[in-house]
Parts: sequence; C-alpha cells; structure tokens
Amino acid sequence: DIQLTQSPSFLSASVGDRVTITCRASQDISSYLAWYQQKPGKAPNFLIYSASTLQSGVPSRFSGSGSGTEFTLTISSLQPEDFATYYCQQVDSYPITFGPGTKVDIK
Amino acid sequence: EVQLVESGGGLVQPGESLRLSCEASGFTFSSYYMGWVRQAPGKGLEWVADIKDDGGAIFYVDSVKGRFTNSRDNAKNSLYLQMKSLRVEDTAVYYCARKIRGGHDYWGQGTLVTVSS
Repeated sequence: DIQLTQSPSFLSASVGDRVTITCRASQDISSYLAWYQQKPGKAPNFLIYSASTLQSGVPSRFSGSGSGTEFTLTISSLQPEDFATYYCQQVDSYPITFGPGTKVDIK
Repeated sequence: EVQLVESGGGLVQPGESLRLSCEASGFTFSSYYMGWVRQAPGKGLEWVADIKDDGGAIFYVDSVKGRFTNSRDNAKNSLYLQMKSLRVEDTAVYYCARKIRGGHDYWGQGTLVTVSS
C-alpha cells in the first residue's frame, strides 16, 4: 500500500499569511494526488486534483504542485474561512490512501 | 446540482449488521464510479470502498474485505454498503462520494455508525 505523510501536522498562522503544506508518498504516484479541506462537522471539500488542477469554484489563492513522491499545497494569502484541516489523497492505485491531515489554526 | 444523501446509520452491537444507502441526484449516476470514505471520531479520513460505474469492479480497504459489500442500483441512482460482523473500530461517520479519476469530487453529509455493546 502507498503511505502518505503530511507536514506539518499542525500549523498556526495569521490571516494574510502564505501557508505551505507538504505531502510525501512512499512511492512514485506520478501526479495522482488530490487535496481536500475539511471543517469540523462537515464533509471534505475537493480542492485540487492531478496534483495541481484547481477544482471548479475553488479560490485561486489555493494552488498545488509536485509530482512523483513530493507534493505541496499552498494558500497564498490565508483567509478566515481557510482555517480547517487539509488532507492529501493518492489515487494512483488501490487501496486509495489519505494523509493524516494538517490542521491550520488561528495564530 | 449534485446531491448525495446517505441514510441507514445507527447504533449496533459488535457482530451485528447494518446497511447504508446513498441516493444520488443531479448527475448521470450510471456514468461514475462511486465510493465510501469513513472518519472515526476525532480521526482522519479512511477510504473504504469504490465501485465501478457498471458495478463490474469493486475495491475495498483490507480491513473490511469479507465483511463489507459495496453495491449499486443504477436504475434507482443508489449506492449501498452492506456491513456485517461489525467491530467497535468500524465506528465512524460514513460518507458516500462520487469518484472521478482525480479523486472524490462530491460528498454526502455523512451518516454515523456506532458499534458498541
């Protein structure tokens, strides 16, 4: 199975900050990586797929990059509604796996 | 508008069974893979199962193989998860989600399954 790790696990930031979250895969997954945002008590929200393609309706301050085994999610200017937990997911092969999550909290 | 509505969750004892349903609307259900993802209380996301658009292929996480059955009825725009021999560690919110090549793009609101004696 492909394992995903995320760093950091927890991030404290202020409105307007640039935030970067890293996801690493245990083997090459090409660009088959997605990012999700989840707020407490809500279903995950699909942000980015194919490592860097923004899902329709997602603000342009979100961006993704990477391929192979290392990927990043960047929020260029953190907004109040962005405080949430972010998960990466590999869809290169079954079983599909998620990273453990990165919680972005208010500083 | 894509909508996914899960139902069937509840409180059961270990070893018992439960069947979850997910009713889909707003898209051509029979053209998409569909899946289930769960989240134990206070924990991260865990993919459970996906089913091909025509039901011809089904994939499971190892921890549910032989106990859970993912199925669909394209005539009813519905997805099902039959869960047997439930364990305490199966306690979670179960989400139904539409699957595309790049991930799970639309999710239901989730249904809570609690396995406890």
